[in-house]
Amino acid sequence: GAVVSQHPSRVICKSGTSVKIECRSLDFQATTMFWYRQFPKQSLMLMATSNEGSKATYEQGVEKDKFLINHASLTLSTLTVTSAHPEDSSFYICSARDIAEPLNTEAFFGQGTRLTVV
Amino acid sequence: GNSVTQMEGPVTLSEEAFLTINCTYTATGYPSLFWYVQYPGEGLQLLLKATKADDKGSNKGFEATYRKETTSFHLEKGSVQVSDSAVYFCALSDLSQGGKLIFGQGTELSVKP
Repeated sequence: GAVVSQHPSRVICKSGTSVKIECRSLDFQATTMFWYRQFPKQSLMLMATSNEGSKATYEQGVEKDKFLINHASLTLSTLTVTSAHPEDSSFYICSARDIAEPLNTEAFFGQGTRLTVV
Repeated sequence: GNSVTQMEGPVTLSEEAFLTINCTYTATGYPSLFWYVQYPGEGLQLLLKATKADDKGSNKGFEATYRKETTSFHLEKGSVQVSDSAVYFCALSDLSQGGKLIFGQGTELSVKP
């Protein structure tokens, strides 16, 4: 199956610093990638839809200046958490859909990034 | 709007017990339906899928049938194993929003030896 690689898997940063998370589709191209946030024992909350070559589409209530998304190529999207605070600590997951497949097919998920802000 | 509702967990079963996790959906049009599984500390893996009414998705002993008349996609397995302990998410693809996945709240399954 298609592989999505997310890096890093764990990161600890100091409050006020920025953290970048990468999401790569390894064996397919993706015009669209999705970024989710997951709190303990809860479902995935879609944060934004990342579109290759254009601006990301953010869900209501998500601060676009805080969660910067860049989708510079068909295989890479990045999420940067700027000026991180302890409340940003969470599990972040990306997913991607193969550009060659119809929209009603599955999305493939990265392994997630555990962010801890101290 | 489109939505997915799953039965609440946690669900605790003994090994070899029968599993059912209920999932119902609300959608316009004809979405595809999915079950994803999440093991502790990991991302999501696709378990099975169905793209049209009456399709049955199956994988690793798990099955789910796309029932349009009841708008359901219940997950079943005849005999669970300890290794099936995980969180299971039902989802649909929202074609009106670029194929964005809409997830249920997840159901935690714990299988005891």
